[in-house]
Amino acid sequence: DAKTTQPPSMDCAEGRAANLPCNHSTISGNEYVYWYRQIHSQGPQYIIHGLKNNETNEMASLIITEDRKSSTLILPHATLRDTAVYYCIASWGSQGNLIFGKGTKLSVKP
Amino acid sequence: DAGVTQSPTHLIKTRGQHVTLRCSPISGHKSVSWYQQVLGQGPQFIFQYYEKEERGRGNFPDRFSARQFPNYSSELNVNALLLGDSALYLCASSLEQGFNEKLFFGSGTQLSVL
Repeated sequence: DAKTTQPPSMDCAEGRAANLPCNHSTISGNEYVYWYRQIHSQGPQYIIHGLKNNETNEMASLIITEDRKSSTLILPHATLRDTAVYYCIASWGSQGNLIFGKGTKLSVKP
Repeated sequence: DAGVTQSPTHLIKTRGQHVTLRCSPISGHKSVSWYQQVLGQGPQFIFQYYEKEERGRGNFPDRFSARQFPNYSSELNVNALLLGDSALYLCASSLEQGFNEKLFFGSGTQLSVL
C-alpha cells in the first residue's frame, strides 16, 4: 500500500490558486492517485484522479511528477467554499477499499 | 438523481445498546462500503458489500456487522456499544466493486455513545 504524506494545514487567499502537495514515493505502477475533500460535517467528495498524465476537470487540476512519487492538486481560483480537508489517496487495501490519511486542512481566507 | 442517503443523521445511544444505521446507494450502484471516522482522523474502512455479498472487512470487532439487500441498500449494525464507537459513520456507493472505483459518499450518521 502506497503511503501518502500531506502537510497538516495550509492557508490560501480567496481568488488565488491553492496548490496542495502530496508525497507518495512508494506508489506502485498500477496505483492511481485520487483526491477527495471533506467539508465540515459532510461525507468526502470525489475531486479528481490520475495515473501518469496530468488531469483537469471542472473542479481542479492534478499534476503528477514524471516519477509518480508526488502530485499537486490545484484549485485555480479558491473560494471560501473550498475550505475543507483534502485527502490524497494513492493506496487501496487488499479488498479494494480506500486508505485515508489525515489529509490537509485548507483554509481559504477573504 | 439522488445521492447516497443515510439515516438517521444523528443518534445518541448508551453503552451496551445496539444500533442500526441505514444507507441507500445511488441508483444503479451495486457496491456499498462503510467507513468509520473518529474526530480528527480520516475515514477507516469497515465493510464492503457487492451484489449482496460481503467482499471485504476492515479491522473491526465482531460486534460490527452489515448486510446488503436485494435493492442494494445496506444496514450497518453495532452491538454492545462502547464509548469508543462514537464516530461519524459513512456509507459510500460505487458502480462496481474493486480497485480504482470512484466512491460517492453520503453525509454520514453521527453516533454518540454515552
